Order: sequence, then C-alpha cells, then structure tokens
Amino acid sequence: ELKVEQNPLFLSMQEGKNYTIYCNYSTTSDRLYWYRQDPGKSLESLFVLLSNGAVKQEGRLMASLDTKARLSTLHITAAVHDLSATYFCALPGGTKTSYDKVIFGPGTSLSVIP
Amino acid sequence: DAGVIQSPRHEVTEMGQEVTLRCKPISGHDYLFWYRQTMMRGLELLIYFNNNVPIDDSGMPEDRFSAKMPNASFSTLKIQPSEPRDSAVYFCASSCWTEPWGTEAFFGQGTRLTVV
Repeated sequence: ELKVEQNPLFLSMQEGKNYTIYCNYSTTSDRLYWYRQDPGKSLESLFVLLSNGAVKQEGRLMASLDTKARLSTLHITAAVHDLSATYFCALPGGTKTSYDKVIFGPGTSLSVIP
Repeated sequence: DAGVIQSPRHEVTEMGQEVTLRCKPISGHDYLFWYRQTMMRGLELLIYFNNNVPIDDSGMPEDRFSAKMPNASFSTLKIQPSEPRDSAVYFCASSCWTEPWGTEAFFGQGTRLTVV
C-alpha cells in the first residue's frame, strides 16, 4: 500500500525567504500531484508532475519530481503572505486493481510572517 | 462548468441521527471520490467510483457509512447512525482519466459535519 510522507509538517517562514517542502512516497509512481488548501477552504490543484525530472513553475512556487528517489519537492522563492496555506502532495496509489485512486500526504502547513 | 457541487455546506446533527451528504460531480468526469478530513487523521479516502461503480471502499470506517452513485451526476454518502467522532469535513472530488494527467482530482467545497 502506498505511503506518502511530507516534511516539514509545519513551517513558519519570513517573507522574502526561500524554503523547500519535501514529499516522499513508498512505491513506484509515474505521476504526482500538488494541491493547495487555504484555511477553511477546499483543495486546489497546483501542479501535475508526469515524469522523472519534471519541473513545473507557477509564480513563486516550483515543483520537481525524482521518480528514482521517490521524492518530489515544492520550492518557495521569496515567500509572501499570500502563500500561507496547507500544501499537499498526492499520488495514484493502492493496489493494482485500484491504481487510479488518489492518496494524499499529511500536508505541510505553511505560515508566512512579515 | 460550476465545478463539483456539494450539499449541504454545513450540517449539525444529533448523535444517532441519519446524515446524508450529496455530491454532483463535474459533467463528463467518470471518477468520483469521497474524502474525510480531520485534524488528527488528515485527508482520508473513504471510497471511490468509476463509471458509477464502487471500485474501492476500503477506507469506509464502519458499516454505519455507505455511499451510492445512482447515476453519473449524483452521489450520496450516508452515515447511519451518526456519532460525534464522525465530525469532520467531507469532500467530494471528481476527475476524468486522461493521458498523461491521470486522475487529477477536482474538489468540491466540502460539507462540515458536526455531530453533537
């Protein structure tokens, strides 16, 4: 069964600083998703990473995927308060008969402070 | 498209009562997922459907929980009888398997359930 880990689980960072969130997973996967959740809100898809070495960027966020290491990173550049949210990585997982279900990591709660 | 629509947005009920949560997926999507989110357990997949057929319900916590998808545009998650530990936010999500994106799920706004 797929296991997804994220670290850190909680992150408080100053505006203008850079930081990286890590997502490790236990079984081979050819795609990985990153989502954002604002407090009290729903989840919003940020990135879909489809292959080893894939890199996607949107504004101050950049996500990458290393399928050999079973690792994805979400890098935050020059953080601003608007980036405060919880970030989840997710993968298709489970058994061969239910590969298409999406399993989420525990989330990283990011707080950007002035 | 209006996105995934869930109702009600908030539900407060007494222990022992039946609760029914509703979901309308995005038109054309053939996958539907029910998730539960709590502080303690995070985001848990309860059950998912493909083409209205339940594929994996291994995440359904107990027999008190049941889910149906009578047609492509409607699904329900029912808890009977409800207990205080069922209090959580329940999300419905839908997707359409496309290559190469797979099942990138799109979420509804959630139903915040409080059982007192």
